[in-house]
Formats: sequence, structure tokens, C-alpha cells
Amino acid sequence: GQQLNQSPQSMFIQEGEDVSMNCTSSSIFNTWLWYKQDPGEGPVLLIALYKAGELTSNGRLTAQFGITRKDSFLNISASIPSDVGIYFCAGLDYKLSFGAGTTVTVRA
Amino acid sequence: DTGVSQDPRHKITKRGQNVTFRCDPISEHNRLYWYRQTLGQGPEFLTYFQNEAQLEKSRLLSDRFSAERPKGSFSTLEIQRTEQGDSAMYLCASSWSETGETQYFGPGTRLLVL
Repeated sequence: GQQLNQSPQSMFIQEGEDVSMNCTSSSIFNTWLWYKQDPGEGPVLLIALYKAGELTSNGRLTAQFGITRKDSFLNISASIPSDVGIYFCAGLDYKLSFGAGTTVTVRA
Repeated sequence: DTGVSQDPRHKITKRGQNVTFRCDPISEHNRLYWYRQTLGQGPEFLTYFQNEAQLEKSRLLSDRFSAERPKGSFSTLEIQRTEQGDSAMYLCASSWSETGETQYFGPGTRLLVL
């Protein structure tokens, strides 16, 4: 079963808004990854975090690796329609353990 | 395109039939992983290889599932005597063990068992 808890499960956002989602785990991970998945496709890597406390950006995306190594958040700034999709966090210990995802829908 | 590729993208089969899926990893990657994803869930780990060695297979769902990577390049996942509960998206990912093992996914094979 899933070890990671993502919240919120879903969100409707207005184009141009900033959004935030987070992920917590009962286990420590040394690497956290954020992926985005479109319907019928495989997950696409957005951001990888390798060090506790690390804050990393990729364009309009910013993610942080929690200091306890049991949590992470992802921010999307100035959302646009193509941000629609399901966002997954994953903890890595040779295999990936995923959360159940946050579904993002943008209102144009 | 040098990303992970999977074939077929879709498969419809009747219960009791065997199916085989293929994954071609990113060429310089030595690790290859198989995951299964059901509706509304994140991917769930099944098994992985480093080169041709299968290092973890205890998460394969039953003895009807098997995977091979005979030459350390492409891999196949076989499901024997398929059941309706096997309907899911099967995802393959690859990584290079020397650079933090960040995994890159293929587009997946969607299996429907009737």
C-alpha cells in the first residue's frame, strides 16, 4: 500500500493563481521526487530533491525537501491551463513509493 | 527520441490468456524498474533489474507475473493466465545507479482483461 499521504486530493484553481500541495511520509527518505502525469501517459519528472532542507526550482515550480526527511511540498506559481494533471510525490529508496496524487484542474 | 519506450501501448485480452509487455530503457541506464498503476492510485513497485540481474522480485503480485532482462538492455514483463484484476497500467522506468537513481518513466502499457 501507499506510504505517502498527499494533500489535497484535488483542487480547482484559477488561471494565474499560485498553488501548493504537500506530501508526508511515515518513513524517512533520502531523495524525494515530484512527477506530473497526464491521462493515459507515464509520469514525467518535475523536480528531484536530494538533501534535507533543500529548496529547488524548475521554472514556475518550487519544491522543498523537509528537514525531517519525512515531508515535501510543491508550489506552482502563476498557474496556466497546461498545469492540469495529477501530481505525485515519491520517496526513493532504490524503488519509488508514491502518494495517491493531487489532481489539479484549472479554470480558464 | 531517447526516452523510455514501451510496447504495446494498449492491450485487450481475454481472461486466461498470457500477455507480454516490452520496455526499452534510456540507453545508458543500467537499472530498469516495473510498476503497476490502478485507477486513482500512484504507481506500485513490482520488480527491478541492475543490468541483467533481477535484484528484487518479492513485490511481484503473484507467481503468474515474471520479468526478464536477458542482455541487460530491454526487459519483458509477462502475465500468465490473466485475471480481470490484472487490468491496470504497467509502467517501466529506468535510471543510472551512479547519479542518484532518479527514475524516468515510459508511457506505459494499458492492459484490459475481459
